[in-house]
Amino acid sequence: EVQLVQSGAEVKKPGESLKISCKGSGYSFTSYWIGWVRQMPGKGLEWMGIIYPGDSDTRYSPSFQGQVTISADKSISTAYLQWSSLKASDTAMYYCARLPMSLDYFDYWGQGTLVTVSS
Amino acid sequence: DIQMTQSPSSLSASVGDRVTITCQASQDISNYLNWYQQKPGKAPKLLIYDASNLETGVPSRFSGSGSGTDFTFTISSLQPEDIATYYCQQYDNLPTLGFGGGTKVEIK
Repeated sequence: EVQLVQSGAEVKKPGESLKISCKGSGYSFTSYWIGWVRQMPGKGLEWMGIIYPGDSDTRYSPSFQGQVTISADKSISTAYLQWSSLKASDTAMYYCARLPMSLDYFDYWGQGTLVTVSS
Repeated sequence: DIQMTQSPSSLSASVGDRVTITCQASQDISNYLNWYQQKPGKAPKLLIYDASNLETGVPSRFSGSGSGTDFTFTISSLQPEDIATYYCQQYDNLPTLGFGGGTKVEIK
């Protein structure tokens, strides 16, 4: 069974750093892309970026380029999303999701990680 | 950048009603369009891919159609468990994978 299991909810202060994770299982982690999607409170879905764990090829949405870093450790089938300096506006639910090589759809999703940034 | 415009942003319908949601792309995207369902407090779920193909295990009351710039998502007979927000997503301009703004479906 394909599963993407994300790390737990985080509460941080502005200016702090954070790295959240997404562990894949039940499939070949290095043969699919992993994408990250943001959902701000009460808002829609926003695509942030994708990574191919097989060779760490990473692409970012222009809206998120320079704001976050996406990485992966294929030895432990885990992808990451990190911030070096959080802002209150980063408060959101973050989902990871799997995409096939063709990059056409998100077929399996993680349960989401809620990030709250507040002073 | 390709913009995806969904309408309506919300709707209220009775159980058994036919529900239709539209998604318009700012340029021709062929059939490179998917539909997702997001129930409250849950992750999105893929329902329709390539504009009209039903994902495995998805009830047949859900369907999609369209190509080019205009797409339609239909629930043939609305059920209480269909209460959710529905999103379209394009993949014509890879690796950009933009979503529409969403349509919230409620029971009247």
